[in-house]
Amino acid sequence: KNQVEQSPQSLIILEGKNCTLQCNYTVSPFSNLRWYKQDTGRGPVSLTIMTFSENTKSNGRYTATLDADTKQSSLHITASQLSDSASYICVVSSSGAGSYQLTFGKGTKLSVIP
Amino acid sequence: DTGVSQNPRHKITKRGQNVTFRCDPISEHNRLYWYRQTLGQGPEFLTYFQNEAQLEKSRLLSDRFSAERPKGSFSTLEIQRTEQGDSAMYLCASSFGTGGTEAFFGQGTRLTVV
Repeated sequence: KNQVEQSPQSLIILEGKNCTLQCNYTVSPFSNLRWYKQDTGRGPVSLTIMTFSENTKSNGRYTATLDADTKQSSLHITASQLSDSASYICVVSSSGAGSYQLTFGKGTKLSVIP
Repeated sequence: DTGVSQNPRHKITKRGQNVTFRCDPISEHNRLYWYRQTLGQGPEFLTYFQNEAQLEKSRLLSDRFSAERPKGSFSTLEIQRTEQGDSAMYLCASSFGTGGTEAFFGQGTRLTVV
């Protein structure tokens, strides 16, 4: 069964600090991995998308890493801002013959406090 | 705004009533997905369409749920005889092409069954 596990479940950090969120997956066959940011009551918005051959990808203060051998990914947020408070969801896509699915993690709820 | 539109944004209904949600995807996107998200959880896959064909349905999609995409453009998700357990955010997403292209999410419809 395809699964995506995220840790920690929740995190509180001070404004300006850095943090790293983790994602472990067992999804086969692997197509790509994405990190989404979901504000409360809103739909998820894509931050990064990484394919099998990519190790690191940055989007402003967000840097995602992928280790396809260990099936792990991380999302590093630098110099956090209050607006970073949201749930961060790791999503792994698989594409078999005639099928395509996204497997979502449960998310890490990040709270940035002043 | 991702370009995926969902209506209504909020729906409160009495147990036993039927409800219908609408999703308008990005116009050139051939794939459309429905997900359900309960509080504190990541989205769970319900079903997806390629053009007008419904290609996959999750076991979560009980016989009270039905989804359509009659002309390969907008989609509707109907829940009959709603139950309190149906209370959730219903998310729609769309993508173009096959394989691991990015899915864009709508803002969701928040259903509350009282």
